[in-house]
Amino acid sequence: AQSVTQLDSQVPVFEEAPVELRCNYSSSVSVYLFWYVQYPNQGLQLLLKYLSGSTLVESINGFEAEFNKSQTSFHLRKPSVHISDTAEYFCAVSDPGGSQGNLIFGKGTKLSVKP
Amino acid sequence: EAQVTQNPRYLITVTGKKLTVTCSQNMNHEYMSWYRQDPGLGLRQIYYSMNVEVTDKGDVPEGYKVSRKEKRNFPLILESPSPNQTSLYFCASRYQQADTQYFGPGTRLTVL
Repeated sequence: AQSVTQLDSQVPVFEEAPVELRCNYSSSVSVYLFWYVQYPNQGLQLLLKYLSGSTLVESINGFEAEFNKSQTSFHLRKPSVHISDTAEYFCAVSDPGGSQGNLIFGKGTKLSVKP
Repeated sequence: EAQVTQNPRYLITVTGKKLTVTCSQNMNHEYMSWYRQDPGLGLRQIYYSMNVEVTDKGDVPEGYKVSRKEKRNFPLILESPSPNQTSLYFCASRYQQADTQYFGPGTRLTVL
C-alpha cells in the first residue's frame, strides 16, 4: 500500500526567507502527486499537482514542487514566503493503477511565517 | 458556485446516540470520500465511493457507515458514537482520479 511521509511536522520561518517542505512517498510505480493547503479553520484546497510531463510544477502563488522519481520525493518550495502563507500543508499520492477512490495523505507540515 | 457542503458544522453528542453527517456536492462528481483529521495524524480516509451504490472502506472504517443512493449525496453515519470518534471530519469529491479533490468546510464532532 502507498504511504506518504512528510518529514517535518512544523517549519518556522521568517518572512521573505525561502522554505522547503519535504515529502516522500513509498512506491516507485507511476503515481499522481498533490500538495494541498489548509488555512486556519478552513478546509483543504489544492495547491498544485503532478500527473505527468514536466517534473517541475508551479502554483499561482509562487510555490513550486519537483517530482523526483529516483528519490520518490515531491518537495514543495517557495523562494520568499509571506505571513499569509502560514498554514498546514499536506502532501498526497494517488496510484493510477490501484483503487481509484484512494488518495493517501501525509500527516501534514505546519508552516509558521514570522515577521 | 461549485462546492461541497456538510451539515452540521459543529456537533456535540453523547456516547451511543446515532448521528448522521450529510455531505452534498453540486459538481456531478463520480468520486466522494470521507476523512477524519486528528492532530499529528493528518487526514485518514474513512470510506470512499466511486459511483452510486459503489462504496469501499478506507483506512479507518470501524464504527462508521456510508451510503450513496444519489450521485450528489454521501452521508456519514455513526450508529453508536464513542469518544474516540471525536474529530474533525471532511467530505470531499472529485470527477476522476487525476482531478482536483474538493473538500467541504468540515464538521467538528465531539462525543462525550
